[in-house]
Amino acid sequence: EAQVTQNPRYLITVTGKKLTVTCSQNMNHEYMSWYRQDPGLGLRQIYYSMNVEVTDKGDVPEGYKVSRKEKRNFPLILESPSPNQTSLYFCASNRIAGGYEQYFGPGTRLTVT
Amino acid sequence: AQSVAQPEDQVNVAEGNPLTVKCTYSVSGNPYLFWYVQYPNRGLQFLLKYITGDNLVKGSYGFEAEFNKSQTSFHLKKPSALVSDSALYFCAGNLITGGGNKLTFGTGTQLKVEL
Repeated sequence: EAQVTQNPRYLITVTGKKLTVTCSQNMNHEYMSWYRQDPGLGLRQIYYSMNVEVTDKGDVPEGYKVSRKEKRNFPLILESPSPNQTSLYFCASNRIAGGYEQYFGPGTRLTVT
Repeated sequence: AQSVAQPEDQVNVAEGNPLTVKCTYSVSGNPYLFWYVQYPNRGLQFLLKYITGDNLVKGSYGFEAEFNKSQTSFHLKKPSALVSDSALYFCAGNLITGGGNKLTFGTGTQLKVEL
């Protein structure tokens, strides 16, 4: 089954404690992306990757890091989480050319206290 | 600035009635436009897209959308709503002329279908 998986699904942590949210896709997609979803703001792109070892900032990259060492994986790293990073996070992937729909993971609900 | 707008935070409709969820876009070229649906505690699911060609696009679960270039709109429609259609709907666009991969999302419209 074609899918994007994320782990963990739910995470409660404290300010400053480094965390990683994993994302993996099994569709051999080149393009992967991280979004955060906040009420009234829709989805905003954090980082994206066009292929292995190629990443770039999205609209709201501050406080986040990513890496793309393998084509299937695209982890999101919060080096020092803060309460304003409490949000619902989605990973997505698609084929590289424009016009292809993105496949989304189930989401990770992060709470930073 | 390039953007996607959903002017209604919530749309209420009775089951069996037609529904419309509105979306407008702002871009200098020709966008690729998408509709996604999000059910509670789930990720976004693709419904349909407009790339080129026929302005009326048909998608999953009986939904369709009409691309209107003169009005810069891409409204989502369904002839007869079901209670199970109740969900959060997002319009999105590849707003870079010629495509690209970055999706710009609207703020979402909560659809509530009542008996």
